[in-house]
Amino acid sequence: GAGVSQTPSNKVTEKGKYVELRCDPISGHTALYWYRQSLGQGPEFLIYFQGTGAADDSGLPNDRFFAVRPEGSVSTLKIQRTERGDSAVYLCASSLTASGGAGYNEQFFGPGTRLTVL
Amino acid sequence: KNEVEQSPQNLTAQEGEFITINCSYSVGISALHWLQQHPGGGIVSLFMLSSGKKKHGRLIATINIQEKHSSLHITASHPRDSAVYICAVGRDTPLVFGKGTRLSVIA
Repeated sequence: GAGVSQTPSNKVTEKGKYVELRCDPISGHTALYWYRQSLGQGPEFLIYFQGTGAADDSGLPNDRFFAVRPEGSVSTLKIQRTERGDSAVYLCASSLTASGGAGYNEQFFGPGTRLTVL
Repeated sequence: KNEVEQSPQNLTAQEGEFITINCSYSVGISALHWLQQHPGGGIVSLFMLSSGKKKHGRLIATINIQEKHSSLHITASHPRDSAVYICAVGRDTPLVFGKGTRLSVIA
């Protein structure tokens, strides 16, 4: 039984470039969450999906960030015109459901993608 | 003021010691989560609780809803317990995380 996987594990890019980060949730999990973790900080919520739709995208910092989950399984976080301040570990998690609220279900985390913007 | 505060920020213990990590929060919640993050970043969910107490092996988590406070206890600590322990609170809104407590257990 595979857990949550994320690719790539590391991504180094230059300021101004476009990047895509991929998350494969646990099979059958309908809820998928994206978080960002800066050094020495706890994770910060970005967006979560219930099925194919973004149920809450209030954590996306600006319109350079976008995420999709077209078939209700794999999700891609897209960052346009990257800035040095975007450097962080991007974490994905999934849960069986989001019933009861996004914060009320056990979440299973992927290993993260470390993004470095030079 | 952060919605979720953890103490201490850093903790060093000798193998075998009893360890307590505290979490206080300022918002109404439906559930509190304790998570463990090892070097390299992987996060594992330890507990999710909304009342009372839960125990798993050497780990015990308690929560006092009225005082908006939770504790994570580790009995008979071992070097393999060395990690960052993160408290997160949730309700119908997504999780809000504390900054974590870095625990080092020395043999």
